[in-house]
Amino acid sequence: KAGVTQTPRYLIKTRGQQVTLSCSPISGHRSVSWYQQTPGQGLQFLFEYFSETQRNKGNFPGRFSGRQFSNSRSEMNVSTLELGDSALYLCASARDTTGTEAFFGQGTRLTVV
Amino acid sequence: AQRVTQPEKLLSVFKGAPVELKCNYSYSGSPELFWYVQYSRQRLQLLLRHISRESIKGFTADLNKGETSFHLKKPFAQEEDSAMYYCALTSGATNKLIFGTGTLLAVQP
Repeated sequence: KAGVTQTPRYLIKTRGQQVTLSCSPISGHRSVSWYQQTPGQGLQFLFEYFSETQRNKGNFPGRFSGRQFSNSRSEMNVSTLELGDSALYLCASARDTTGTEAFFGQGTRLTVV
Repeated sequence: AQRVTQPEKLLSVFKGAPVELKCNYSYSGSPELFWYVQYSRQRLQLLLRHISRESIKGFTADLNKGETSFHLKKPFAQEEDSAMYYCALTSGATNKLIFGTGTLLAVQP
């Protein structure tokens, strides 16, 4: 069974640009969550989606947005990039929303210059 | 406020020594507690969760509601246990995980 797949693995963007990251969950998983990982702040929750609906949102500015498609694939978008957005962005999928085991992807390393 | 605290950034032990990675939490309600592990160049993966009450790779963790702790223990550390360990909680009605800052376990030969 294929794991959680995140694309691209690495990105370099310039301040002010926007970026879209993609996540394909494990087949049959309908819940997708996103996290930002930085050396200073650790792992911080961004969003949780289930059946195309956002169920939870973390404490991030409105420049961070996401969506989930009918096939459970998810994208997150960051607009007007800032240097501080440089981070590893992790996606996790789960079968449902009852706090079951989350399976993580390898992450997308975003560098803003 | 919901919070997970891992007081040690780095824990260095010798092979065969006991290991205890500390985790304390703050949560109003009954959280579900997890330990996730990240080995070098591998993805973050679940090690164990308190409701399953099982031992994985020799590790155990007991939920102490009185002390709001969920410490991870192993009686005899192995070199392959060297990794980053994260304690996390969720409410059980959501998949939103609140992570601690992580503890790097280094097992010396």
